[in-house]
Amino acid sequence: SAVISQKPSRDICQRGTSLTIQCQVDSQVTMMFWYRQQPGQSLTLIATANQGSEATYESGFVIDKFPISRPNLTFSTLTVSNMSPEDSSIYLCSVGTAPNEKLFFGSGTQLSVL
Amino acid sequence: SQQGEEDPQALSIQEGENATMNCSYKTSINNLQWYRQNSGRGLVHLILIRSNEREKHSGRLRVTLDTSKKSSSLLITASRAADTASYFCATGYSGNTGKLIFGQGTTLQVKP
Repeated sequence: SAVISQKPSRDICQRGTSLTIQCQVDSQVTMMFWYRQQPGQSLTLIATANQGSEATYESGFVIDKFPISRPNLTFSTLTVSNMSPEDSSIYLCSVGTAPNEKLFFGSGTQLSVL
Repeated sequence: SQQGEEDPQALSIQEGENATMNCSYKTSINNLQWYRQNSGRGLVHLILIRSNEREKHSGRLRVTLDTSKKSSSLLITASRAADTASYFCATGYSGNTGKLIFGQGTTLQVKP
């Protein structure tokens, strides 16, 4: 299993600013993912965070808007840049310890953009 | 979109009744998983069924998988008020990337 600490748990931000979300895992994990959940919706995968290299982004998401870092196997950050009200969502970090096995999720970051 | 569809979108039952949720997906999968989400926060893994399995049980949960119909169902028996949550199916695909594609979810309300 893996225990994930995600910070901040919530934030209210002004339009045009950026927010960096941190994800810390209590053990080394192979796979780390960032998801977005818009109000009342399901989870959409933003990107796979790759250790020591650029993240792999899903269609519709770009590095300039959602830069991701993963300096080691236990930590990653997601930045939401130049925010607009449409970015108001829950952002979730998740990790997998083996391919095609279950994912563990952080408690999420509730972001509101005014 | 690879994203699956779930039905019903919302389900309201009395405590003690059974709840059934269905999930359909579009392409071949390695496995299908079910997750629960309380109050819009982190998800909790419930059960995983592999593509070569047809049925799996875990406590009060029963999951079936029909790969010919590209569908799965989650049955929660003898429901409790604490089962009130959103339930999502998620599918894993070949390539060992580990990423999951989530369905739209079913919101379950269990009335005491």
